[in-house]
Amino acid sequence: DAGVIQSPRHEVTEMGQEVTLRCKPISGHDYLFWYRQTMMRGLELLIYFNNNVPIDDSGMPEDRFSAKMPNASFSTLKIQPSEPRDSAVYFCATSWSNQPQHFGDGTRLSIL
Amino acid sequence: GENVEQHPSTLSVQEGDSAVIKCTYSDSASNYFPWYKQELGKGPQLIIDIRSNVGEKKDQRIAVTLNKTAKHFSLHITETQPEDSAVYFCAASRAGGGADGLTFGKGTHLIIQP
Repeated sequence: DAGVIQSPRHEVTEMGQEVTLRCKPISGHDYLFWYRQTMMRGLELLIYFNNNVPIDDSGMPEDRFSAKMPNASFSTLKIQPSEPRDSAVYFCATSWSNQPQHFGDGTRLSIL
Repeated sequence: GENVEQHPSTLSVQEGDSAVIKCTYSDSASNYFPWYKQELGKGPQLIIDIRSNVGEKKDQRIAVTLNKTAKHFSLHITETQPEDSAVYFCAASRAGGGADGLTFGKGTHLIIQP
């Protein structure tokens, strides 16, 4: 089975530009999580969905960040406008019921 | 909210020796404790997990112990091998498994010396 698929794997863009990160969950998984990993803060939860509905977005750093899950097969995390401090690795993870979360290989984002 | 502390940040052991990584958590309502292994350029991969109704769980060379009273849990790797070199993260959540966001420790860089 295919795992969690994230795209792009690497993104380099200039400050002020809009960035869109994409995630395709494992088929049948009804929970989807977005995490961010930095050296300073480690792995931190940004937002998660259950059955395409946002459940907890308390980790979203500010209004520049938004996430959507229009259907069970796709989610996006958008940053607009982007800032250098948004540079990090962004991970998507999915799960079903009370089973463990499976992580994608992440998107390495660099904002210049 | 939950706070997870992980020690040590770096651990170097000789191949064949055992490695132990320890974590403490603050939220007494947490009841699910997974361990993830992360290799360079990859996402975290689950290696073992434990739920609060169990004190110990073992899978071949890997074991996890949980002390709910003291709010700490540990990862034990025996007979370490070069492929065990990676960064290991502990985590905690209130849900029984993946149905809630995970709070992670800061990670342990495990180095296996040949």
